[in-house]
Amino acid sequence: KNQVEQSPQSLIILEGKNCTLQCNYTVSPFSNLRWYKQDTGRGPVSLTIMTFSENTKSNRRYTATLDADTKQSSLHITASQLSDSASYICVVSASAHNNAGNMLTFGGGTRLMVKP
Amino acid sequence: DAGVIQSPRHEVTEMGQEVTLRCKPISGHNSLFWYRQTMMRGLELLIYFNNNVPIDDSGMPEDRFSAKMPNASFSTLKIQPSEPRDSAVYFCASSLGGQGAIYGYTFGSGTRLTVV
Repeated sequence: KNQVEQSPQSLIILEGKNCTLQCNYTVSPFSNLRWYKQDTGRGPVSLTIMTFSENTKSNRRYTATLDADTKQSSLHITASQLSDSASYICVVSASAHNNAGNMLTFGGGTRLMVKP
Repeated sequence: DAGVIQSPRHEVTEMGQEVTLRCKPISGHNSLFWYRQTMMRGLELLIYFNNNVPIDDSGMPEDRFSAKMPNASFSTLKIQPSEPRDSAVYFCASSLGGQGAIYGYTFGSGTRLTVV
């Protein structure tokens, strides 16, 4: 069964500090992995999408890593800001074998709170 | 581009009433998805349309739920009769190329449904 596990479930850090969120998956066959940021009361917004051949990808203060061998990904946030307070969701896409298209499996998310 | 537009943003209804949620996907996107998000279960895919045709409705909870996409620019999710356990945030998303689309997978802001 395809699964995506995220840790920690929640995290509180002080403004300016760095943090790392983890994502482990058992999705197969792997197509791509995405990190989404979801602000309270809003829909998820894509931060980064990683394919099998990509190990690291950065988007401003966000850096995502992917280890396809161990089926792990991380999202590192540098110099956190109050606006980083949100839920971060890891989503893994499996390649489908029929016309239904690829299938997404969602992690439960990490709720990050950045305090001043 | 206004993005994926959902209405209403909030809906409060009494148990047993019919509820209709609406979605306008991004122009040019050929795939549309309805998701439900709760604290307990996270994001769950309910149904997926490709070129206005339902492809995968295995996530639809039961016969009380139905979805339609009469044209490329409009979709509805209907719950009849509604029950308190249907209370959740319902998201619509659209993409160019299906679930596994690398780019252009966009969520709306969601409809928060409360059934009392």
